[in-house]
This record gives sequence, structure tokens and C-alpha cells, in this order.
Amino acid sequence: AQSVAQPEDQVNVAEGNPLTVKCTYSVSGNPYLFWYVQYPNRGLQFLLKYITGDNLVKGSYGFEAEFNKSQTSFHLKKPSALVSDSALYFCAVRDKKNTGFQKLVFGTGTRLLVSP
Amino acid sequence: GAVVSQHPSWVICKSGTSVKIECRSLDFQATTMFWYRQFPKQSLMLMATSNEGSKATYEQGVEKDKFLINHASLTLSTLTVTSAHPEDSSFYICSARLSGSNQPQHFGDGTRLSIL
Repeated sequence: AQSVAQPEDQVNVAEGNPLTVKCTYSVSGNPYLFWYVQYPNRGLQFLLKYITGDNLVKGSYGFEAEFNKSQTSFHLKKPSALVSDSALYFCAVRDKKNTGFQKLVFGTGTRLLVSP
Repeated sequence: GAVVSQHPSWVICKSGTSVKIECRSLDFQATTMFWYRQFPKQSLMLMATSNEGSKATYEQGVEKDKFLINHASLTLSTLTVTSAHPEDSSFYICSARLSGSNQPQHFGDGTRLSIL
């Protein structure tokens, strides 16, 4: 079975500092990995994905994520945080072996709070 | 591209009424759409997978007679909460996926349903 863990309920960082939001996953085969961001009372916005290839994936709004197969992690990073980055971040995984409806499994979310 | 529109964004109604939520893919065709429910400060819970022209696939524990899903075209899926009760109050989010095994899901902005 697929699963995702986001160990931090909340991450606090000062504006201008680098940020990291952690995610680890578990799948039986090779994973498809995704990061989404959710603003209050809104749906999820796609940030980036890892399918194959380079372990460092660059996405929207200056975010990037590093796929680490040995540590089964896919941490989200940004070199310099903005106050407007404050939101709820979800990591999601899909097993490449899952050839059915290709549903995603989401983590519990991490709230990012960037202070001015 | 890949815009998903969800309507209405907010619904308040009396207990016992039925509520229909629409999910449209505006600039792409979506063979598969997904319906999620999100409780406050929690992750997304997949309710069902909606496939154009066929019956929806419901997750374990989700009542198919309670949450009716219709996916009549490649751009529209609807979720009807029948005989809604206060415990059905929640944030409902739909998503649609472009064809292709490694495509991300794109989400609507969600519908906040409040049953009095």
C-alpha cells in the first residue's frame, strides 16, 4: 500500500530564509511524487512533480524538491521564503505499479508560516 | 492551461435537501475526475473516482447512495449529496487529470457545504 508522511504539522521561517517542508513516502514499486499548495478556502494548486530523471525537480514560484530514493524522501525547498508562501502544503504519492485509476495518496499537510 | 472549475463555491441549506456540486475541466478533456472531502485541519480524503460514461468507483466507507456521482461528459462530473444532514457539512474538492500516466491532478477551488 502507498503512504505518505509529513512529520511536521507546522514549519515557521523568517522571510528571506531558506525553507524545507519534509515528506517521506512508502510504495511497493517506483513512485510518482507530487507537491501541492492550498490557500484558505481554496483547492490545491500543483507545484511540482517527480516522475523520473534528475533527482532535483524545479517547480512553480521558486520551489524545488529533491527525490532521495535511499531515504524515500521528497522534501520541498525554497532558497528564500516569502510571506506570501504561507499556506498549507501537501505531499502526494502514486505507485507506478498502480495502473488502475491512478489515485493519489496525500500526506496530512504541513502549514508553512513565513514571518516578516 | 489545465483549469478546473467547481461550482458552487459555498452552499448553505436545510437538513434533508439535496445539493449538487459541479466540476468542470475548462480547457482539457478529463476521462477521470476525483472527488475529495476535507475536514478542518485535515488532509484530503478520496471519496470516489469518476469515469466518463461509467459508474463511479467509491472508496471504502463512502455511501454511494448518499453521494451520487455522474460523469456524463469528458468535461463535467457532478456530485450530489442526497438528503444532506449536518454531519455532511464539509469542504468538497474535485480534481481532474489529463490523460497520460504521469500527469498531475488539477484541482477545483472546492465547495464549502454547510447543512443547518
